Amino acid sequence: DIQMTQSPASLSASLEEIVTITCQASQDIGNWLAWYQQKPGKSPQLLIYGATSLADGVPSRFSGSRSGTQYSLKISRLQVEDPGIYYCLQGYSAPPTFGGGTKLELK
Amino acid sequence: EVQLVESGGGLVQPGRSMKLSCAASGFTFSNYGMAWVRQAPTKGLEWVATISYDGSSTYYRDSVKGRFTISRDNAKSTLYLQMNSLRSEDTATYYCTRDEAYYFDYWGQGVMVTVSS
Repeated sequence: DIQMTQSPASLSASLEEIVTITCQASQDIGNWLAWYQQKPGKSPQLLIYGATSLADGVPSRFSGSRSGTQYSLKISRLQVEDPGIYYCLQGYSAPPTFGGGTKLELK
Repeated sequence: EVQLVESGGGLVQPGRSMKLSCAASGFTFSNYGMAWVRQAPTKGLEWVATISYDGSSTYYRDSVKGRFTISRDNAKSTLYLQMNSLRSEDTATYYCTRDEAYYFDYWGQGVMVTVSS
């Protein structure tokens, strides 16, 4: 199985700050990566697919990038509604596997 | 608007069975693969099973193979997960998701399954 190592496990940031979360794939997965946001008691919401494509209705302050087997989710200006747990997902090969999650809190 | 509504969860004893359902609306159900993803309490997300758009192909994670069966009724726009020989480690919120080949784009609200004596 492909391992997705997500970091950091948690972080605290201030409003308007730039936040970056990363996922390291254990092997090449191309652009077959997605990012999700999950708020307490809610189901995950798709943010990014294809490593860099913004899902419908997602604010443009969210962006995705790739460097080799490392993938990043960037929030350009943290807003009050952004805290939650963020997950990456690789769909390159079965079984699809998620990163361990990053808990983002407001400072 | 795409909607996925799960039902059928609850408390079940170890070794017993339970069947989850997911009613889909707002899209042409028969055109899409579907999947179940679960989340144990305070834990991360874990893919469980996927079924192709026409039901001809199914895929499972190793820990549920031989115990869980994913199926669908395209006439009723409904997805199912039959869970047999349930274990305490199957305790989780189960989400019905629409499968876009390499990611899951829409998720239901989730249904809790608790396996305990």
